[in-house]
Amino acid sequence: SQQGEEDPQALSIQEGENATMNCSYKTSINNLQWYRQNSGRGLVHLILIRSNEREKHSGRLRVTLDTSKKSSSLLITASRAADTASYFCATTVDNFNKFYFGSGTKLNVKP
Amino acid sequence: DGGITQSPKYLFRKEGQNVTLSCEQNLNHDAMYWYRQDPGQGLRLIYYSQIVNDFQKGDIAEGYSVSREKKESFPLTVTSAQKNPTAFYLCASSIQEAGELFFGEGSRLTVL
Repeated sequence: SQQGEEDPQALSIQEGENATMNCSYKTSINNLQWYRQNSGRGLVHLILIRSNEREKHSGRLRVTLDTSKKSSSLLITASRAADTASYFCATTVDNFNKFYFGSGTKLNVKP
Repeated sequence: DGGITQSPKYLFRKEGQNVTLSCEQNLNHDAMYWYRQDPGQGLRLIYYSQIVNDFQKGDIAEGYSVSREKKESFPLTVTSAQKNPTAFYLCASSIQEAGELFFGEGSRLTVL
């Protein structure tokens, strides 16, 4: 069964606006990661947040984790057209090397 | 440069044929994975391997087979027993317990 589910499924914004994507999961996790996928390409790792962390930043990315609600959010600030892609959350559970991916949020940033 | 190489990028197969997708990494990672992605969906785990000569089934292993004879290589065979093999296949690797997955560029298999 899938662990993570992203929301919304699709998001369309203007360049310069912020984009927020959410991820919910079902069971206790070791860590949660966010990945980006350009159309027809492989996934690229963006950021990892551990279960004992609440917030993490990397450049224009801000990730939060609320283990009590079993949810995470990814905020992309000052979006650019080049941010257009699908974004996935992934969780690892008991088996640290088994990753579960959500179905993704498709972000379209209009120039 | 270090990375993961998948080949071929596009592959067409007739029904009833087995095909093998190649995945090679020069990152010296212990763990390797195969995922399947269907249009508009997330990734589903087919097989994973944490060490040479050992591998485990993922959530959708039926109709697939793998081998791990070398640390660098983790080929996936899509057999004729896989009823709906048309999909995008992604190979990934990770340092044991490091948590970050490195992906190849994928192989798109179409059954004619």
